[in-house]
Amino acid sequence: SQELEQSPQSLIVQEGKNLTINCTSSKTLYGLYWYKQKYGEGLIFLMMLQKGGEEKSHEKITAKLDEKKQQSSLHITASQPSHAGIYLCGADNYGQNFVFGPGTRLSVLP
Amino acid sequence: GAVVSQHPSWVICKSGTSVKIECRSLDFQATTMFWYRQFPKQSLMLMATSNEGSKATYEQGVEKDKFLINHASLTLSTLTVTSAHPEDSSFYICSAKLQLNTEAFFGQGTRLTVV
Repeated sequence: SQELEQSPQSLIVQEGKNLTINCTSSKTLYGLYWYKQKYGEGLIFLMMLQKGGEEKSHEKITAKLDEKKQQSSLHITASQPSHAGIYLCGADNYGQNFVFGPGTRLSVLP
Repeated sequence: GAVVSQHPSWVICKSGTSVKIECRSLDFQATTMFWYRQFPKQSLMLMATSNEGSKATYEQGVEKDKFLINHASLTLSTLTVTSAHPEDSSFYICSAKLQLNTEAFFGQGTRLTVV
């Protein structure tokens, strides 16, 4: 089955700094999703990428999917405390199931 | 986006009792629903995938007799934790999707505490 790896596992940045979170798949991705979560709470959908080379942005968050569709990155520009949380990448395993990476815990220091 | 409602949002039960968690897609028909479990400081782990009208497919290591999943209609799936024990205490979250290549929508989760 498809497996996702994320790096780094955790990240602490100073407010205003940029940061990048990576997600790597063991197989070609059919659809790659980014979510934000605070533990014990629901998921906030951020972005969905499907095409190789695709890039999407929303406010200060940009997500990219590489041409081979096996790696994705999530970039936050000028981070704020409100960006703190757990970032999860998820993959649609060709409609069979939906799996998540282990998550990246982001802390933003004011 | 579409709305998935999960109920209850939290539940406390005694060890040995059973607990049912409902997951409803409110404004779309979900052909597939997923159930996840999340322990502290860990990612969401897929427990099972259910398609309306058929038996759920459980992930390795998940006891199907303990975690009963029923997907009786295109808008409702239920997860029943039978004979719950303290180690079953966790955050359970469901998601639903309309079809292949569409976004999966998530419920807000259920925090289960077994005492």
